[in-house]
Amino acid sequence: AQSVTQLDSQVPVFEEAPVELRCNYSSSVSVYLFWYVQYPNQGLQLLLKYLSGSTLVESINGFEAEFNKSQTSFHLRKPSVHISDTAEYFCAVRNSGGYQKVTFGTGTKLQVIP
Amino acid sequence: DTGVSQDPRHKITKRGQNVTFRCDPISEHNRLYWYRQTLGQGPEFLTYFQNEAQLEKSRLLSDRFSAERPKGSFSTLEIQRTEQGDSAMYLCASITRGRAGTGELFFGEGSRLTVL
Repeated sequence: AQSVTQLDSQVPVFEEAPVELRCNYSSSVSVYLFWYVQYPNQGLQLLLKYLSGSTLVESINGFEAEFNKSQTSFHLRKPSVHISDTAEYFCAVRNSGGYQKVTFGTGTKLQVIP
Repeated sequence: DTGVSQDPRHKITKRGQNVTFRCDPISEHNRLYWYRQTLGQGPEFLTYFQNEAQLEKSRLLSDRFSAERPKGSFSTLEIQRTEQGDSAMYLCASITRGRAGTGELFFGEGSRLTVL
């Protein structure tokens, strides 16, 4: 069975400061990894994904995540956050072969402080 | 709007009543998922359809829960004899065959259930 751990339930950070949201996963097979974002009163949206190839993936709004197979991690980073980044971020994992169930972590609330 | 739509967005009911939620996926998507999200938790998988076939049900889906996708298009999730513990946001997501290998889910905005 696959699982995802997001140890930080809330992360406060000042505007323009860097941030890292941690994600660790567990799976016995190779995986695809995702970060979804949920803005207040909105549905979940895909932020970025790792399928294969380069272990560093980027989103259009400045976030990046690096797949580290040896540490089974997929941490999300941004060098300078903006007020509009305030949201809840969910890490998710899916086995790369066969059935496509996606398992989510418990989420991390990013609170950007002006 | 051609995204995933869910109805109703909010439902308040008394314990013991039955409720039904509807999900209309993106039209060309053949796979449909139901998730449940409670406060402070991530989405928890409930069940999954490929076309009209229900391929997996989570152990979270007790006998009081039933989901259908009769024509491989919209889906319904019914909860019978609701309990206060059923209070949650029920999320629907869909994915197309072409993107199936990427696992990217498209979510609706959810149906929030409050059981009094």
